[in-house]
Amino acid sequence: NAGVTQTPKFQVLKTGQSMTLQCAQDMNHNSMYWYRQDPGMGLRLIYYSASEGTTDKGEVPNGYNVSRLNKREFSLRLESAAPSQTSVYFCAGRAANTGELFFGEGSRLTVL
Amino acid sequence: GQQLNQSPQSMFIQEGEDVSMNCTSSSIFNTWLWYKQDPGEGPVLLIALYKAGELTSNGRLTAQFGITRKDSFLNISASIPSDVGIYFCAGQRGTGNQFYFGTGTSLTVIP
Repeated sequence: NAGVTQTPKFQVLKTGQSMTLQCAQDMNHNSMYWYRQDPGMGLRLIYYSASEGTTDKGEVPNGYNVSRLNKREFSLRLESAAPSQTSVYFCAGRAANTGELFFGEGSRLTVL
Repeated sequence: GQQLNQSPQSMFIQEGEDVSMNCTSSSIFNTWLWYKQDPGEGPVLLIALYKAGELTSNGRLTAQFGITRKDSFLNISASIPSDVGIYFCAGQRGTGNQFYFGTGTSLTVIP
């Protein structure tokens, strides 16, 4: 039982490149989330998926797209990376019975 | 976007001392969660609160759901060096799926 698993853990991109952050959970969560964490800003919601087949924008969705591939997987895509997207990205799953959020270990992205 | 006001921003305490931090909002929340984050890792859930006035403990940690439903408190008793890290509060409004996070309290414990 790995919980919430994110890949890759580290990535360096050049401005304009694209990439996809992968997230998979084995906790049978219906809802999944992508957050970004910047110094002094706490965690800000990018997108979330309340259930398989649905996605919704959070506070800071610009420059990102998401796909809820199936119940287990929720990916975050940067189509044309910008230096402002340098951040640590966290995926989370939400337990249906308690409402608690469980986080992955993070993906550290640097855009040059 | 909605951000929770978390204070203090940082704390430097002696080992063995008690710690208190809080989170406030102008909005009413139905759920409060408290997390600890170690450097280079993801946030780990410490305590979840679901009802106004609720007081819940997890070892040396105690958290309370404020009776106004606009605030929450976390206390750590008899701090130890491994308590070092950043503590975040998170709140959920209504029955929605979004959680809003505080900006964190950085705790340093001096042996």
